[in-house]
Amino acid sequence: KAGVTQTPRYLIKTRGQQVTLSCSPISGHRSVSWYQQTPGQGLQFLFEYFSETQRNKGNFPGRFSGRQFSNSRSEMNVSTLELGDSALYLCASSLGSGGSSGNTIYFGEGSWLTVV
Amino acid sequence: AQKVTQAQTEISVVEKEDVTLDCVYETRDTTYYLFWYKQPPSGELVFLIRRNSFDEQNEISGRYSWNFQKSTSSFNFTITASQVVDSAVYFCALSEARSSASKIIFGSGTRLSIRP
Repeated sequence: KAGVTQTPRYLIKTRGQQVTLSCSPISGHRSVSWYQQTPGQGLQFLFEYFSETQRNKGNFPGRFSGRQFSNSRSEMNVSTLELGDSALYLCASSLGSGGSSGNTIYFGEGSWLTVV
Repeated sequence: AQKVTQAQTEISVVEKEDVTLDCVYETRDTTYYLFWYKQPPSGELVFLIRRNSFDEQNEISGRYSWNFQKSTSSFNFTITASQVVDSAVYFCALSEARSSASKIIFGSGTRLSIRP
């Protein structure tokens, strides 16, 4: 069974550009969430999508956005990149959403973004 | 407010020693879930264990064991007879039933180095 797949694995962008990261969840998983990991702030929740709808959002500016397709695949976009957006972006998938389910969340290998 | 504290930033031990990683959490929910993840240099967060707040049984999986104590809000992780391959950053995490299952609050992580 394939795990969570993220592309690209590494990328370098220039300040002011925008970037799109892609995530394919584990087959059968309908919930996809995104996390940002930086040395200073650690792992922070960005947002979650379930059945193509954003279910939850972390405390990030509007430059960070995402979407989910009917096949559960997800993309996140960061516009007007800043140096501080350099981070490891991790995608995670789980069977369902809803806190009471306590579903296990499985993570991909992440996309390493460097903004110069 | 929910919070996860991993007071040990870095731990270094010699191979075959036992090592315990501490985790203390804060939550107002009566139903919540605790996790441990391992992050090797590749970046992927590898799921190790999930425990719900109503199950205080300790768990052992090979060389790994977990001690959950609600009275002290702790969920500690012990590696017995450590090996070099155990070297990684380990994260303790919490999600609350009233929140999205995918909105996990992570601790700051403990970097574990096993010396041969």
